[in-house]
Amino acid sequence: DAGVTQSPTHLIKTRGQQVTLRCSPKSGHDTVSWYQQALGQGPQFIFQYYEEEERQRGNFPDRFSGHQFPNYSSELNVNALLLGDSALYLCASSFVRQAYNEQFFGPGTRLTVL
Amino acid sequence: DQQVKQNSPSLSVQEGRISILNCDYTNSMFDYFLWYKKYPAEGPTFLISISSIKDKNEDGRFTVFLNKSAKHLSLHIVPSQPGDSAVYFCAAVENTGNQFYFGTGTSLTVIP
Repeated sequence: DAGVTQSPTHLIKTRGQQVTLRCSPKSGHDTVSWYQQALGQGPQFIFQYYEEEERQRGNFPDRFSGHQFPNYSSELNVNALLLGDSALYLCASSFVRQAYNEQFFGPGTRLTVL
Repeated sequence: DQQVKQNSPSLSVQEGRISILNCDYTNSMFDYFLWYKKYPAEGPTFLISISSIKDKNEDGRFTVFLNKSAKHLSLHIVPSQPGDSAVYFCAAVENTGNQFYFGTGTSLTVIP
């Protein structure tokens, strides 16, 4: 089992550009959550997808959008990048009926905005 | 507003001694708490959790204590081992939600 995988590992963009990050959930999982972890901070919840719909959203602007595909994989899109968007973006997957402690995280995508 | 706080950015402990990591929260709607361990270049991995109906949960060398009246939880690692050196995050979940609220983390160094 490959666990949760994310691509790319690292990414460098400039201000104003758009970026797409990808996540493949652990086998058997149907729910994907995205988090932003800025340097020296804990992960901040962006949103969660289940059944191809956004199920819950954290306090992030509309520039952050996502998508979940029928195979449960997910994308995170960020438009009009700002310097402050530089962070580690973590994807976590779970099965909707499992307990909270069954959420597994991927290794993250490090985004640098110049 | 940071609803989960870890006020100690770092902690150093001798191998074999007890490590105590602390976490405070402000939201009384939180009813489930978790501790995650994170190594560099890896995602957080689940360590131990506790429901708000309990005040203690133990798993091997790891014990989590919850004091609901003080809105405080702690993670005890006994005995500490060099392989425990990592960043530890506490997280909390509301009883009606799916959103995890994380603290800022404590970097634990266990000195051989």
